[in-house]
Amino acid sequence: GQNIDQPTEMTATEGAIVQINCTYQTSGFNGLFWYQQHAGEAPTFLSYNVLDGLEEKGRFSSFLSRSKGYSYLLLKELQMKDSASYLCAVKDSNYQLIWGAGTKLIIKP
Amino acid sequence: GAVVSQHPSWVICKSGTSVKIECRSLDFQATTMFWYRQFPKQSLMLMATSNEGSKATYEQGVEKDKFLINHASLTLSTLTVTSAHPEDSSFYICSTRSVAGEAYEQYFGPGTRLTVT
Repeated sequence: GQNIDQPTEMTATEGAIVQINCTYQTSGFNGLFWYQQHAGEAPTFLSYNVLDGLEEKGRFSSFLSRSKGYSYLLLKELQMKDSASYLCAVKDSNYQLIWGAGTKLIIKP
Repeated sequence: GAVVSQHPSWVICKSGTSVKIECRSLDFQATTMFWYRQFPKQSLMLMATSNEGSKATYEQGVEKDKFLINHASLTLSTLTVTSAHPEDSSFYICSTRSVAGEAYEQYFGPGTRLTVT
């Protein structure tokens, strides 16, 4: 079966750095996405990785290792507004998005 | 990025009635639209995939006669929850991908919160 694993919840301090990991086992691979979702709102796109390596976009970076079936989202200089759920999703061989359950990130002052 | 709208943003209805949710892609043609449901503190669950001009493909466990999907044009898809019950109360989100974007991100609507009393 297809499976995406990410931690249920993480806590970090304002101004710090946090890394959210995601491991996947899917039938085929056509890219990995990270989305941010605030409570009661729809997800918003953060990043897309299809090749191995690090993609940096401002305070957020995303890393992919296809051979390991592994990705992480790195958030720097954490702000209170970064408190949200972070969803990892993989497109399989049918271009279907397979979603992880999301990681709830709690930022403390 | 693309803009996707949903209407209504929230709705309260009585048990046994039907509710229609509209999803529109405002600035591109969406041959494919996805309908998701999300219960509190849970991740997105894909309900069905709708393709313009053809019947929707439903995920296992989703009743196609209860959740009617119509994708009549490249900019509009509708989800009708028929004979709604309290357990249908959830956050319904539509998503599209552009004609040219097989590998591109999906664009999400703002969601519709349905409460069935």
